[in-house]
Amino acid sequence: DSGVTQTPKHLITATGQRVTLRCSPRSGDLSVYWYQQSLDQGLQFLIQYYNGEERAKGNILERFSAQQFPDLHSELNLSSLELGDSALYFCASSAFRPGRNSGNTIYFGEGSWLTVV
Amino acid sequence: LAKTTQPISMDSYEGQEVNITCSHNNIATNDYITWYQQFPSQGPRFIIQGYKTKVTNEVASLFIPADRKSSTLSLPRVSLSDTAVYYCLVGPLSGGYNKLIFGAGTRLAVHP
Repeated sequence: DSGVTQTPKHLITATGQRVTLRCSPRSGDLSVYWYQQSLDQGLQFLIQYYNGEERAKGNILERFSAQQFPDLHSELNLSSLELGDSALYFCASSAFRPGRNSGNTIYFGEGSWLTVV
Repeated sequence: LAKTTQPISMDSYEGQEVNITCSHNNIATNDYITWYQQFPSQGPRFIIQGYKTKVTNEVASLFIPADRKSSTLSLPRVSLSDTAVYYCLVGPLSGGYNKLIFGAGTRLAVHP
C-alpha cells in the first residue's frame, strides 16, 4: 500500500460525458502528479501540483483539467470524453519541496480505470 | 531530465540473475538514478535509488560505474512474480525535477 488513494477504481461512461477522478496523497506529501496509461502504452505525464499550485504541465489535453485543494487532495476532470480517453489514470505523490535535496521518489496509487463507450 | 535508454524487453528463467542496463550519457552532477517496477494494471513501485558505486536493498542491487553514464539493475534469482516493466529514471533529488518522465521501460518476462 503506497498510501496514495484514488477513487473511483473503475468508471464506465459514454462519449461526450465528463468525469472527475479523485486522489488523496500520502500523508505529508504536498506534491501530486497525474499520469495517463493507455493499453500497452507508457506512462504519460499529465500535470503536477505542489501545495495547491500547478507546477508542471505535460501532455495534458485542453479537455482535461486538474486542481489541488487546500486539504491537498487533487481532482482530475476529464470532459467531452472520447473513446481514446479510455485508459488507466494514476495519481502519485511525493515529498518534493522546492530547494530541498530530497523527495524525488514518487508513490503511485492503484489507478482509476476509465472506459469510454 | 537526462535521457535514458533501456532494452525494450528481456527474457529470463526462474532462479536466474537478471541484469538490466540503462544508459544515461548526459547525466548531470546532481542527478540520482532511480528504478521503478510496474506490474500490469498497477502503479509503478519504487525499487532502488543510487548516486554512485553500488546500492543494495532487500529487492535488488544497483551498480553505477565511476563515469555514471550507465547503471545496472540486478535482480537476484528471479521468480515468475518478477515479470514486470522496469523503468530507469535520472534526475536531481529536488529543484528542477518537476516532471517525472517515464520512458518505455524494459519489459521483463520470467519463464518457468
